[in-house]
Amino acid sequence: EAGVTQSPTHLIKTRGQQATLRCSPISGHTSVYWYQQALGLGLQFLLWYDEGEERNRGNFPPRFSGRQFPNYSSELNVNALELEDSALYLCASSLMRDTEAFFGQGTRLTVV
Amino acid sequence: AQRVTQPEKLLSVFKGAPVELKCNYSYSGSPELFWYVQYSRQRLQLLLRHISRESIKGFTADLNKGETSFHLKKPFAQEEDSAMYYCALSGAAGNKLTFGGGTRVLVKP
Repeated sequence: EAGVTQSPTHLIKTRGQQATLRCSPISGHTSVYWYQQALGLGLQFLLWYDEGEERNRGNFPPRFSGRQFPNYSSELNVNALELEDSALYLCASSLMRDTEAFFGQGTRLTVV
Repeated sequence: AQRVTQPEKLLSVFKGAPVELKCNYSYSGSPELFWYVQYSRQRLQLLLRHISRESIKGFTADLNKGETSFHLKKPFAQEEDSAMYYCALSGAAGNKLTFGGGTRVLVKP
């Protein structure tokens, strides 16, 4: 069974640009979560999508947004990139009523 | 608010010695607690969850609601246990996981 896949694996952007990160959940999983793992800050919850809707949001500014498509894949968009947005972005998926989350390998975003 | 604290950033033990990773949480309701592990060059994966009461790879963890702790223990550490370990909590607020800062375990031969 294929696991959670994320693309790209690495992304380099300049300050002020926009970044788009993609995530494909495990087949049958309807929930997708995004986490940011910045150096020294640990894993911080960003967003939770389920059945195409945003269900919960972490303490991040509005320039962090995303969506979930009918096939349950998801995009995370970060607008007006700042240097401190440089981090590993992890996507995870789970069945709606099962809180066990399965993680992808992550996208390493570097803002220069 | 939910919070998870892992007081040790690094634990270094010799092979065969016991290892205990501390995790304390703050949550007003009934939480679900997890331990996740990340081995070198691998993705983050679930090690165990308190509701299953399983022992995985020789690790156990007991939820102590009185002390609000969920410490992870293994009586005899192995070199392959060297990894980053994260304690996580899921409360009622929408299935999201709140992670602790992580503890790096280094098992020396």
